[in-house]
Amino acid sequence: DQQVKQNSPSLSVQEGRISILNCDYTNSMFDYFLWYKKYPAEGPTFLISISSIKDKNEDGRFTVFLNKSAKHLSLHIVPSQPGDSAVYFCAASVRGAGSYQLTFGKGTKLSVIP
Amino acid sequence: DARVTQTPRHKVTEMGQEVTMRCQPILGHNTVFWYRQTMMQGLELLAYFRNRAPLDDSGMPKDRFSAEMPDATLATLKIQPSEPRDSAVYFCASGLLDRRAQETQYFGPGTRLLVL
Repeated sequence: DQQVKQNSPSLSVQEGRISILNCDYTNSMFDYFLWYKKYPAEGPTFLISISSIKDKNEDGRFTVFLNKSAKHLSLHIVPSQPGDSAVYFCAASVRGAGSYQLTFGKGTKLSVIP
Repeated sequence: DARVTQTPRHKVTEMGQEVTMRCQPILGHNTVFWYRQTMMQGLELLAYFRNRAPLDDSGMPKDRFSAEMPDATLATLKIQPSEPRDSAVYFCASGLLDRRAQETQYFGPGTRLLVL
């Protein structure tokens, strides 16, 4: 039973346009969400996070939106650059319970076309 | 530039052999995580330690896998005996739990394991 789902295995976007990566979760206990980016032959690197008390967090070109009622979050990248081409993982944890374990989605491969 | 290091980066072995993967967490980090990545399951947590004590290894097949932290600078993941279904990329990550109860996990480059 997958608690964090990324239903799009891949996404292609033109350089300069907006990339929107989506993530759904089923566990209502999740209270902290993160996005990681992974290049081939490297480990995932932390990108941005959001607590469940917020509905938006922005860091430069990256914005994460959280819709708790829909159990949905999304990552917006504006404008998209070729260097953003990577696999993006959504992850969630139950921090209120003192747990820092992350449950990951299976990832979405983003290709930004020059 | 502090990084998590993992050795070996690649390992090919035959079924039944013992495999040991090593991880050096970022100096000062007090939590260490082991993950396995496969095409079918994505990234799965196998085990994690805080201040060298194992907190959760429920994701790990106990009969063949073991994880230890002999000291604060070394974490090991062993598979004995290895099986073809263990073929995957194994990631180690470390993090620092601060007073605000915030933590970010920093991943190593992974060990790509192939069991024939």
